[in-house]
Amino acid sequence: NAGVTQTPKFRILKIGQSMTLQCTQDMNHNYMYWYRQDPGMGLKLIYYSVGAGITDKGEVPNGYNVSRSTTEDFPLRLELAAPSQTSVYFCASSYERGGEKLFFGSGTQLSVL
Amino acid sequence: AQSVSQHNHHVILSEAASLELGCNYSYGGTVNLFWYVQYPGQHLQLLLKYFSGDPLVKGIKGFEAEFIKSKFSFNLRKPSVQWSDTAEYFCAVNTFSGGYNKLIFGAGTRLAVHP
Repeated sequence: NAGVTQTPKFRILKIGQSMTLQCTQDMNHNYMYWYRQDPGMGLKLIYYSVGAGITDKGEVPNGYNVSRSTTEDFPLRLELAAPSQTSVYFCASSYERGGEKLFFGSGTQLSVL
Repeated sequence: AQSVSQHNHHVILSEAASLELGCNYSYGGTVNLFWYVQYPGQHLQLLLKYFSGDPLVKGIKGFEAEFIKSKFSFNLRKPSVQWSDTAEYFCAVNTFSGGYNKLIFGAGTRLAVHP
């Protein structure tokens, strides 16, 4: 199994550009999450999904959008990139609600200049 | 709002020293508690978790953590650290508010172990 796969690993954007961070998992997990990790701030939940077609906002959703058309895929969309979105983004998935072990992807390092 | 506090942002130890990383959370309901570790250049991995039962839980690589409900704490310990324990450690709390589970992370503690 590949687990959780994120692409790209690195990306540099100009202010105002848009992009989609891809995330796919092959473990048939219902729950998927997007986190951003900033130095000294830990991980902040951006959006999460409890199944195909169901998404909800996390702690820091502004400036982002998600969709969940399939169980496997959970892309994160940045419509108008801003310097404040410079961060490392992690996608994660889990099987169980509440008692889960999260499986993390390897991360996407995004710089907005 | 639920929150997780990790008191030490940076810890420097020599090999064989004992380790204790503090973690406190603010949430009055039922919680599940986790410690995740991120080794340099790698993604987060689960170190240990507490759901219920014995408040002293043992994880991988000799780590353990104790849940003290009265103190809202879940401190991570290791009796003797190794250079390979150099990593960033995150405490996390899973709450059940709003019908969905949400995993809230602390800010992390960077541990550097010198030979």
